[in-house]
Amino acid sequence: SAVISQKPSRDICQRGTSLTIQCQVDSQVTMMFWYRQQPGQSLTLIATANQGSEATYESGFVIDKFPISRPNLTFSTLTVSNMSPEDSSIYLCGGQGAYEQYFGPGTRLTVT
Amino acid sequence: KNEVEQSPQNLTAQEGEFITINCSYSVGISALHWLQQHPGGGIVSLFMLSSGKKKHGRLIATINIQEKHSSLHITASHPRDSAVYICAVRGGADGLTFGKGTHLIIQP
Repeated sequence: SAVISQKPSRDICQRGTSLTIQCQVDSQVTMMFWYRQQPGQSLTLIATANQGSEATYESGFVIDKFPISRPNLTFSTLTVSNMSPEDSSIYLCGGQGAYEQYFGPGTRLTVT
Repeated sequence: KNEVEQSPQNLTAQEGEFITINCSYSVGISALHWLQQHPGGGIVSLFMLSSGKKKHGRLIATINIQEKHSSLHITASHPRDSAVYICAVRGGADGLTFGKGTHLIIQP
């Protein structure tokens, strides 16, 4: 099974700034994803992180706001740009293995 | 886009009771996941199903592809089973689409 780590685990940021979240998988997964969980809500897929090419974004999410990189099979970053209080959420990295989906512990972001 | 509906939204039961959580979806899928999320946010994958039935300990998951429906059962429930249970579906190579979750509380 894969273990996914994320950094930072939490942060408090001022509006208008940007935060980059790192995701590291300890073994290869076929696909990597970024999810958002807003307070009291279930998860929503932001994008699929593609190795060496532009991420594939879901409806309602754009590259200018959530730029994503995946330089190799086991590492990805998500940047939350020009933050507003509405971006306060838990951001989770996910990886698809052969038989299950793995999730990172999440990054709890508060924007003031 | 797939619509994933879970029921019930909230469930409180006594220790030892048999628990059933239901999930239905609107569009054909390649796999369905049952996830568990404890307070504090950590998410654990319980099952990935594409057909039939799987069992792990006191947990049983079933799926009916024709009816687009899945159930998660917990036998001999225990207070440590208290968590949010989330159904999520995958179509092809996409990421997951999630249900809103079922908040389960097992009282001693």
